[in-house]
Order: sequence, then C-alpha cells, then structure tokens
Amino acid sequence: GNSVTQMEGPVTLSEEAFLTINCTYTATGYPSLFWYVQYPGEGLQLLLKATKADDKGSNKGFEATYRKETTSFHLEKGSVQVSDSAVYFCALSDKGGSYGKLTFGQGTILTVHP
Amino acid sequence: DGGITQSPKYLFRKEGQNVTLSCEQNLNHDAMYWYRQDPGQGLRLIYYSQIVNDFQKGDIAEGYSVSREKKESFPLTVTSAQKNPTAFYLCASTSGVNTGELFFGEGSRLTVL
Repeated sequence: GNSVTQMEGPVTLSEEAFLTINCTYTATGYPSLFWYVQYPGEGLQLLLKATKADDKGSNKGFEATYRKETTSFHLEKGSVQVSDSAVYFCALSDKGGSYGKLTFGQGTILTVHP
Repeated sequence: DGGITQSPKYLFRKEGQNVTLSCEQNLNHDAMYWYRQDPGQGLRLIYYSQIVNDFQKGDIAEGYSVSREKKESFPLTVTSAQKNPTAFYLCASTSGVNTGELFFGEGSRLTVL
C-alpha cells in the first residue's frame, strides 16, 4: 500500500534560518504529492502540490520538487518567519483511487523563535 | 464566504455514549471525507462519500457510522463500539476534479471521560 514518511520532529529554528523538512513516499504508479499546513487550533490547508515528476510546487516562499528517482518531496524555505510555526504534513494522492483519499505522513512540528 | 463548518468544536462524552459530529459545506463539492488525527500520527481516513446517498469505509471505519442524505452535509457518529474515541476529527471536501486538493474544516476535539 501507499505510505508517506516525514522527518522526525519537532524542528526548532531561529527567524530567517533555512528550513528543510524531508518527505519520502512509497506508492504504486505516479501519485500526486502535497504539503499541507496546520496552524494551532485549525484544520489543514493546502500549502503546495506537484502532480508529476520534476514538477516544483511553490507558495508563500515554500518550495518542494517531485523527485521520482528518490521518491521524495522535501519542503524548503530560504528564510522562515515566526508566523511559519505550524505542523506540516506531506501527503500523496493515488490518481487511480478516490481523488480526495490522501495518505498522510505523521506531521512535523515547526517552531520558529524571534 | 464558502467553507466547511464543523460543530461542536469541543465535545466531552461518557463511555458508552454515542455522539454525532456535524459537518456542513457550502462549496458545492461532491465528495466529503472524515479523518481522525492523533498526536504524533498523520491523518487517518474514517469514511468518505463521493456522492449523495453513497459512502465507503476508509482505513479505520470500525466503531463509526456516517450518512450522506444531502450534498452539503456529512455527519459522523462515534459509537460506543469505538474503543479509543478521544481524538481530533477533521472533515474535508473536494470538487469533482481529480486534484487531490482537500478543503478542511477547523475540526472537532472529542474527549471521552
């Protein structure tokens, strides 16, 4: 079956530091890949996505590239802000199945200090 | 504004009681989903519905039930058969296009006393 593995957290950074959160996946076929973000006390919201190999998703200064050869979709940001503190989830969607039936990683807690 | 509304936000239940969590959307989305979130774990799919009057079990459906009588509504009942119901429950929806992009509600936190 499908699975998503994220780097262990929590991650604590100072403002303006570089961020990387690793994500690798196992899936049959060619899934779509997503990063969702959850701010404290809220539901999840889509941060970025990529639907095929070598696609780069980007939003709000965050980027992730769909690497089929390494089955990875690492999230990066060049300079984090305190407002980026949240839980980040990597997820995949098997295109052969129900379009909203996502497989999620366990989430990575990010805390950014001033 | 369009969106997904979940209620109640916090709910306490005694053991042996059934509880129903409400989920309403005004996005005109066909498909709706219920996920469960536990600390340190990703989201796990409980039930989903791609069309009115039809729904399918997800990965952890035991002890839960749903209905989809209207396009806008997808309530989840946590029954007394659910052995470990304390969790954060998230409802989501998506349009009929194969994007995989889910729109989530703000969640309901259920605590069993």
